[in-house]
Amino acid sequence: QKEVEQDPGPLSVPEGAIVSLNCTYSNSAFQYFMWYRQYSRKGPELLMYTYSSGNKEDGRFTAQVDKSSKYISLFIRDSQPSDSATYLCAMRILTGGGNKLTFGTGTQLKVEL
Amino acid sequence: GAVVSQHPSRVICKSGTSVKIECRSLDFQATTMFWYRQFPKQSLMLMATSNEGSKATYEQGVEKDKFLINHASLTLSTLTVTSAHPEDSSFYICSAEKAGGPSYEQYFGPGTRLTVT
Repeated sequence: QKEVEQDPGPLSVPEGAIVSLNCTYSNSAFQYFMWYRQYSRKGPELLMYTYSSGNKEDGRFTAQVDKSSKYISLFIRDSQPSDSATYLCAMRILTGGGNKLTFGTGTQLKVEL
Repeated sequence: GAVVSQHPSRVICKSGTSVKIECRSLDFQATTMFWYRQFPKQSLMLMATSNEGSKATYEQGVEKDKFLINHASLTLSTLTVTSAHPEDSSFYICSAEKAGGPSYEQYFGPGTRLTVT
């Protein structure tokens, strides 16, 4: 079993839809959670990061963490064609685990006009 | 901002030759840099962690004599693929972690596409 599971998609939605992207993880030592966006043939771009359970909002993006269920989500409101990309969740242990990130496989999102 | 650059962006080399890829943090100091490779439609696979002034730590299965990493300064790390073979063709991405910051996010470079013929 992978430490981080993420549905690879592809996920196709109409413009303006609310998108929900999810990851589950098995290692309860993970304490720091990130979402990256990666356009084709480019490096990943950090979107959001959070330490704690609950919601964190930034513009059209909301990151949600449920540590009791080992489940994290990224919501995109009013999705735009420019949001079409691969979204990777990543997580790490903060103490005693070095500074290595563990990534999900990424979900490919396509927002259609 | 936190900008990381990579050079070159694309390189084609012949089998048996060596290729050097540079990773630079442009507007911050990075005590730690990471090298990943990514195959098409797959996630990032960590190859090694590079700390400034010390030897890199390689992930299991990554040959340290084939993938030479040097982190000579707080803003520059290099990856040299030695005696490259076609199976080394991949997308190589570096990332850098800000030194002394309160958070732990990694900032990624734009990647280098290596093709070995």
